[in-house]
Amino acid sequence: GAVVSQHPSRVICKSGTSVKIECRSLDFQATTMFWYRQFPKQSLMLMATSNEGSKATYEQGVEKDKFLINHASLTLSTLTVTSAHPEDSSFYICSARDFITSGTTDTQYFGPGTRLTVL
Amino acid sequence: EDKVVQSPLSLVVHEGDTVTLNCSYEVTNFRSLLWYKQEKKAPTFLFMLTSSGIEKKSGRLSSILDKKELFSILNITATQTGDSAVYLCAAGGSAGNKLTFGGGTRVLVKP
Repeated sequence: GAVVSQHPSRVICKSGTSVKIECRSLDFQATTMFWYRQFPKQSLMLMATSNEGSKATYEQGVEKDKFLINHASLTLSTLTVTSAHPEDSSFYICSARDFITSGTTDTQYFGPGTRLTVL
Repeated sequence: EDKVVQSPLSLVVHEGDTVTLNCSYEVTNFRSLLWYKQEKKAPTFLFMLTSSGIEKKSGRLSSILDKKELFSILNITATQTGDSAVYLCAAGGSAGNKLTFGGGTRVLVKP
């Protein structure tokens, strides 16, 4: 149980293009999903909290117009990196909290991550 | 600002050794502390701790929380090469259900 998938696992794109990353909870419903960014040999940096049916909450310093988040259903959140530049190259990881247990546990289940390389 | 600090940053041990990883936290309205293991890809959940002094065990891994001193430890006994990974500690508070992650401890277990 508690499986989260991410697609694509790896993407290479040209500077100026937009890239969409999908995060799905496969066997549970997730009213809240989180998007993280991880640089090599560093820890996870929370970018935004994605709530189903409402606007995402972005962390300080994260540009909401550059990193568009949509959480249209209880099992799917998407992150779109708009007009990507080489400095956006990173490992992006999503996580989800199980709706049923979210009131009693802080446990987040992570997707396998997406490695983005912007040339 | 919420903060989680892990130590040591990294360590190298040999198979069969025991390792102890440390995690200290300062989190507003603390609710829980979580440990994750990260190998090549995304973190996998190990433990969630909410009460002081109650050890949680899973095979050779165990963890305990001290809410008075604001820290937790993760022990791995009889280490194996498959235990090589980055171990992440995260604290959950009431601020929007977010987790604040520590910088991780990189463990390398040599044969």
